[in-house]
Amino acid sequence: GENVEQHPSTLSVQEGDSAVIKCTYSDSASNYFPWYKQELGKGPQLIIDIRSNVGEKKDQRIAVTLNKTAKHFSLHITETQPEDSAVYFCAASFNQAGTALIFGKGTTLSVSS
Amino acid sequence: NAGVTQTPKFQVLKTGQSMTLQCAQDMNHEYMSWYRQDPGMGLRLIHYSVGAGITDQGEVPNGYNVSRSTTEDFPLRLLSAAPSQTSVYFCASSYHSGSPYNEQFFGPGTRLTVL
Repeated sequence: GENVEQHPSTLSVQEGDSAVIKCTYSDSASNYFPWYKQELGKGPQLIIDIRSNVGEKKDQRIAVTLNKTAKHFSLHITETQPEDSAVYFCAASFNQAGTALIFGKGTTLSVSS
Repeated sequence: NAGVTQTPKFQVLKTGQSMTLQCAQDMNHEYMSWYRQDPGMGLRLIHYSVGAGITDQGEVPNGYNVSRSTTEDFPLRLLSAAPSQTSVYFCASSYHSGSPYNEQFFGPGTRLTVL
């Protein structure tokens, strides 16, 4: 079945450093790849997404890259701040509309000041 | 807009009991889904629906039933609760086909413990 692998499971950086989280997916038909941030006790919240016809997307300090040939995509956070500390999840769609998602197991990011 | 609401926030059941987790959204979203979140396992899709009267199974559907009689509501039923169903359950909704906006909005979650 469809599978999404996410690495690393934990990541600790100093404030101002960059953080990179990587995911691979198994279904070559996947066409939508969102990233979610989850703070303690809350539901996940979308931070950025990318579609299969785009190789890179950037939103201020956050960027996502997609390599469809290799079936992997990555989240890049630059100039990290303590409020970036949270659990981050990648996901890949497995239906045509890009709505049904398979999630990675998550990365706990800790940013120390 | 209230967004995605879930009730109850917390629930404790005994093995074999049944219950329904409620989920509602007021954004006129066609797509709704249920996930469970367990430590170290991420979010796993239980069931999803692309519109009223249409449901489909996700990764881990066993032990759960759903129905979608209205666009707004998508309840999740546990017919005979088991300790393995102890988890945090999240409901999510989004637009579906015909729209470029596929952001899924998540509810605050229901923490379920089965003894």
